[in-house]
Amino acid sequence: LAKTTQPISMDSYEGQEVNITCSHNNIATNDYITWYQQFPSQGPRFIIQGYKTKVTNEVASLFIPADRKSSTLSLPRVSLSDTAVYYCLVTPNNAGNMLTFGGGTRLMVKP
Amino acid sequence: EAGVAQSPRYKIIEKRQSVAFWCNPISGHATLYWYQQILGQGPKLLIQFQNNGVVDDSQLPKDRFSAERLKGVDSTLKIQPAKLEDSAVYLCASSLVGRKLGNAFFGQGTRLTVV
Repeated sequence: LAKTTQPISMDSYEGQEVNITCSHNNIATNDYITWYQQFPSQGPRFIIQGYKTKVTNEVASLFIPADRKSSTLSLPRVSLSDTAVYYCLVTPNNAGNMLTFGGGTRLMVKP
Repeated sequence: EAGVAQSPRYKIIEKRQSVAFWCNPISGHATLYWYQQILGQGPKLLIQFQNNGVVDDSQLPKDRFSAERLKGVDSTLKIQPAKLEDSAVYLCASSLVGRKLGNAFFGQGTRLTVV
């Protein structure tokens, strides 16, 4: 499985756009990039997944360059409730459906 | 749609005692995961089932931890005997097979304190 590297922590202010970058230099052809969000005292929650280029949903956008060695999770206009830990995972596209978490990025949104 | 159910939510035990956690996954989800999350760290996979077969248990400390998923539905994780370093949140998750790979649903977890 490809190893992921992301910043340990980030600070932001309400209303700003936040971009969290994850590097995954050894990503394989069949791997997807998946992001999870975890609030205190809760289990992680799936937020977005992509293979290449750009994916957008109601929560976030995911940007993946052509070489797929990195990805950027973009959170538009964050609020205090976006304070959480964000995990970047490389997930193999096979029936094993393995989910390996790293240390994540602790995002603190300030008023 | 009902989520992943776990019980108990909290448990405090003394070291060398035994403890068991229960998980009921979302109906129809063939894949079930147990994770251990130590404070300040990301979840660490202990064991993954597909139906009632084990896919991966390489990080399960088998001298003290055991897990089963009889009939391919709910699952039990047991620790016997517990050590101080087992203090953590134990998370159960489930997912479909073959669709939306990487999209797993997590329960709220069981917070274990070993004293």
